[in-house]
Amino acid sequence: EIVLTQSPATLSLSPGERATLSCRASQSVDYLSWYQVRPGQAPRLLIYAASRRATGIPARFSGSGSGTDFTLTISSLEPEDFAVYYCLHRRFGQGTRLEIK
Amino acid sequence: QVQLVQSGAEMKKPGASVKVSCKASGYTFSDYGITWVRQAPGQGLQWVGWISASNGVRKYAQKFQDRVTMTTDISTSTAYMEVRSLRSDDTAVYYCARDDRYSAAWFADYWGQGTQVSVSS
Repeated sequence: EIVLTQSPATLSLSPGERATLSCRASQSVDYLSWYQVRPGQAPRLLIYAASRRATGIPARFSGSGSGTDFTLTISSLEPEDFAVYYCLHRRFGQGTRLEIK
Repeated sequence: QVQLVQSGAEMKKPGASVKVSCKASGYTFSDYGITWVRQAPGQGLQWVGWISASNGVRKYAQKFQDRVTMTTDISTSTAYMEVRSLRSDDTAVYYCARDDRYSAAWFADYWGQGTQVSVSS
């Protein structure tokens, strides 16, 4: 079974800064999606097929990568972006917690 | 508008079974699949599996293969997930989400509100 490893586990940044989150697969995958989870809420789809932004997702969110290495970038952090982020390919990564510095 | 409405909270004893429902509206049910995800208290997301409402194909996470069955009822636009032989570590919020009809976990764009399943003796 494919294992997804996310890094870093925690990322401490300030509003306005750029966030770069990584997801590495144990073997090559043909698609990957990214989700945001806020406390007490259902997950929210951000990116699918590695780089396609989901409907209604702000342009500051972008995804890239292929094969085994994928990246979610948030170009300029807004206060509402501080949450936990997960990548998914039939199994979730362990998540990256994005916290306010 | 697309909506997924899940059944209510459940309390079960170890060894019992639970069946969670997920009623879809606002789109053609058979044009999509349904992914199921859970989140235990203080833990990350776990992908449980996926079923195509188009052709009934299922994919289960290895961890759940022996204890989970996913089904759909196209006549009522409802998906179901049954978990058998419940253990205390199955205590979690279970979510359904609309997904692609051909590829498991391709995108899960609309989510249900979640169903709390608690397992305790």
